[in-house]
Amino acid sequence: NAGVMQNPRHLVRRRGQEARLRCSPMKGHSHVYWYRQLPEEGLKFMVYLQKENIIDESGMPKERFSAEFPKEGPSILRIQQVVRGDSAAYFCASSPVGTLTQPQHFGDGTRLSIL
Amino acid sequence: AQSVTQLGSHVSVSEGALVLLRCNYSSSVPPYLFWYVQYPNQGLQLLLKYTTGATLVKGINGFEAEFKKSETSFHLTKPSAHMSDAAEYFCAVGSQGNLIFGKGTKLSVKP
Repeated sequence: NAGVMQNPRHLVRRRGQEARLRCSPMKGHSHVYWYRQLPEEGLKFMVYLQKENIIDESGMPKERFSAEFPKEGPSILRIQQVVRGDSAAYFCASSPVGTLTQPQHFGDGTRLSIL
Repeated sequence: AQSVTQLGSHVSVSEGALVLLRCNYSSSVPPYLFWYVQYPNQGLQLLLKYTTGATLVKGINGFEAEFKKSETSFHLTKPSAHMSDAAEYFCAVGSQGNLIFGKGTKLSVKP
């Protein structure tokens, strides 16, 4: 009965490299949400995906960031040409429905550090 | 638009004392309200949620919260703090899919 699985737990990249963060939702959950947590801040919504579809990307930076949730496999948050300001904890949450009648379940996050 | 304000970024209580963490929200539609707890280097764990119905909501670990529409508040309480309650607590509001989080309150518990 695994929860939301995120990997890697820690990721170090140099400026200009690419970062790929993976999220496997809980079994039976087809709705995935990505959030970013900057130091001393709460979580900020980035993107909401359902299998093969981006439903809401209103919180995603316009450049360098992309997300996908393929029919098979985990959801991927991709950051191209990383900069120091991308250093943060990135959390994935999943839900069986696309409304908040059921709570979102969170993974342990990926802590991204940019050198 | 929705927003959440958590009053007090740090709260310190003695073991056995009342815990009160404050949360006020703004929402133009009936909100869903949540409290999550985060231990160091971990994800968020749901403490309790309010969707509809009874305004006093009981959660895990002895926590409860009361939805007060007239005050737009959803404060989190626990009658007697334990050392294991030391963590960061986040209030969140939503109406559709994504959640809007407050900045969090770090709770310290003194022996």
